[in-house]
Amino acid sequence: QKEVEQDPGPLSVPEGAIVSLNCTYSNSAFQYFMWYRQYSRKGPELLMYTYSSGNKEDGRFTAQVDKSSKYISLFIRDSQPSDSATYLCAMGGSGTASKLTFGTGTRLQVTL
Amino acid sequence: ETGVTQTPRHLVMGMTNKKSLKCEQHLGHNAMYWYKQSAKKPLELMFVYSLEERVENNSVPSRFSPECPNSSHLFLHLHTLQPEDSALYLCASSQASGHTEAFFGQGTRLTVV
Repeated sequence: QKEVEQDPGPLSVPEGAIVSLNCTYSNSAFQYFMWYRQYSRKGPELLMYTYSSGNKEDGRFTAQVDKSSKYISLFIRDSQPSDSATYLCAMGGSGTASKLTFGTGTRLQVTL
Repeated sequence: ETGVTQTPRHLVMGMTNKKSLKCEQHLGHNAMYWYKQSAKKPLELMFVYSLEERVENNSVPSRFSPECPNSSHLFLHLHTLQPEDSALYLCASSQASGHTEAFFGQGTRLTVV
């Protein structure tokens, strides 16, 4: 079993739709959860960062963490064509020895 | 210039060549990383440097050799690579080697022929 599972997509939605992107994980030591957005031919860009369980909202983006289910989500409201990218989830534990573990990424296409 | 800068953006090299990838961060961070990104695979951590000292080497073949002369610069020296080493090589930095909030460069697209 992979440490982090993420559906690779592609996921195609019409402009204005609500998008739900998800990752599941198996390591209960993970405490930090991140979502990165990666446009084609670019490096990943940090989008959302959360610690432990709960929700975090930033504009059209909401990140949710459910540690009891080992499940994290990223919601995008009123999706735009500019949101078309690959979304990577990443997570890590605490302490200096920890490292980020990434999902494979979900490719999202928002169509006009 | 701000953020994390990588050069070159693209590199094509033969299997007998020697080349180097360069990374520079302008964020005042103490930790820097090399990652490999291949199609349909998760990002693979290769090396971690914290305060210029290598703290992690994820069983990377010796044909990849990192160098961190100071906390702002990171190099990846390449020699006798294989075609399967073709990938996007990403540099990242963070405040500390705890890996929280890593910031990435644009990457170097490497093709080994």
